[in-house]
Amino acid sequence: DQQVKQNSPSLSVQEGRISILNCDYTNSMFDYFLWYKKYPAEGPTFLISISSIKDKNEDGRFTVFLNKSAKHLSLHIVPSQPGDSAVYFCAATATGDWGKFQFGAGTQVVVTP
Amino acid sequence: SQTIHQWPATLVQPVGSPLSLECTVEGTSNPNLYWYRQAAGRGLQLLFYSVGIGQISSEVPQNLSASRPQDRQFILSSKKLLLSDSGFYLCAREQDTNSPLHFGNGTRLTVT
Repeated sequence: DQQVKQNSPSLSVQEGRISILNCDYTNSMFDYFLWYKKYPAEGPTFLISISSIKDKNEDGRFTVFLNKSAKHLSLHIVPSQPGDSAVYFCAATATGDWGKFQFGAGTQVVVTP
Repeated sequence: SQTIHQWPATLVQPVGSPLSLECTVEGTSNPNLYWYRQAAGRGLQLLFYSVGIGQISSEVPQNLSASRPQDRQFILSSKKLLLSDSGFYLCAREQDTNSPLHFGNGTRLTVT
């Protein structure tokens, strides 16, 4: 049973515009959420995280928003750059189960010139 | 350095053959180590994790096993591969306690 879902398998966005990636989860015990970025033939790279005590976390061009009541989080990339073209994974865990992350299936982002 | 070494990068094996994937890590001692698998079109699934030498926990029943013979070595094995074992296998460690996982570059396994 998928506890973390990314319903958009792909996203195409113009360079300079905003990319919005969405993620939904079902387990109310999850209290820590992460986004990873993956290039082909490489392992995922940690991008940004948020704990359930916050509803927003920002790091440069990347912002993650958390809506606990809706069990939904999103990643905003502003402005999008060609180097952002990659697969983005959403992941979640409960603090007591650290390391046992549940991952979504990923969203392929393509940034076009 | 918290580098993770995984090899081989790609592997093609026939059904019924054995498997051994090795992961070695650098950096702080006694790291928590993880094996994840990504099947085609799916997210990463946790297979095994280890909090120390000889300590292995399995998350899902399957055809695979794991071992940790040394502090910085984590091995994924199978006695007889199945077609369904095909996938992208990733070794990971925590950089620090309760920190995001750091992944190796993975092994692409194709079982034919």
